[in-house]
Amino acid sequence: AQSVTQLDSQVPVFEEAPVELRCNYSSSVSVYLFWYVQYPNQGLQLLLKYLSGSTLVESINGFEAEFNKSQTSFHLRKPSVHISDTAEYFCAVSASGSARQLTFGSGTQLTVLP
Amino acid sequence: DGGITQSPKYLFRKEGQNVTLSCEQNLNHDAMYWYRQDPGQGLRLIYYSQIVNDFQKGDIAEGYSVSREKKESFPLTVTSAQKNPTAFYLCASGQGNEQFFGPGTRLTVL
Repeated sequence: AQSVTQLDSQVPVFEEAPVELRCNYSSSVSVYLFWYVQYPNQGLQLLLKYLSGSTLVESINGFEAEFNKSQTSFHLRKPSVHISDTAEYFCAVSASGSARQLTFGSGTQLTVLP
Repeated sequence: DGGITQSPKYLFRKEGQNVTLSCEQNLNHDAMYWYRQDPGQGLRLIYYSQIVNDFQKGDIAEGYSVSREKKESFPLTVTSAQKNPTAFYLCASGQGNEQFFGPGTRLTVL
């Protein structure tokens, strides 16, 4: 079984500042890793994913995440945030080869302040 | 437009009543999922189905039931046996390594 820990439930940050949302996972097998974003009263949208290959993955809107196997982490970063990045962010993991079942972290609410 | 639809967006029910949440997808995905979302707890898997006429319990299936008679549809029934049904319910479909989510249904028990 897999588990995901998002240590920060709330992250307030000023506009144009950098941000890091932390995600750590536990698994006895190889994993796939995902970050999803949720805007108020909406479903989840995939932000980025790590399946294999380069450990640094990027999204189209400037977010990036790095898979660190030794630290079992998949932290999400953005060098300069915008007001529109305000949302809840979920880290998720699935066992590679069985990517159909996702285990989610409890979420991090990112609030970008003007 | 391809995607996943859930209806209704908001649903109210009295205690002791069963209620069915709709989920439809036109992405031709084999797998479909139901999650429950509560504040501060992330998403928890209720049921999933990898093929028509087959489904499996997730982590919190008690008090819920599903059917998968068509590839496109995966309705969820919240029964009166569910002790604390007020929550945000998300349906997803998947193919390969990715899941796509619907807009959700917020259920409130009065």
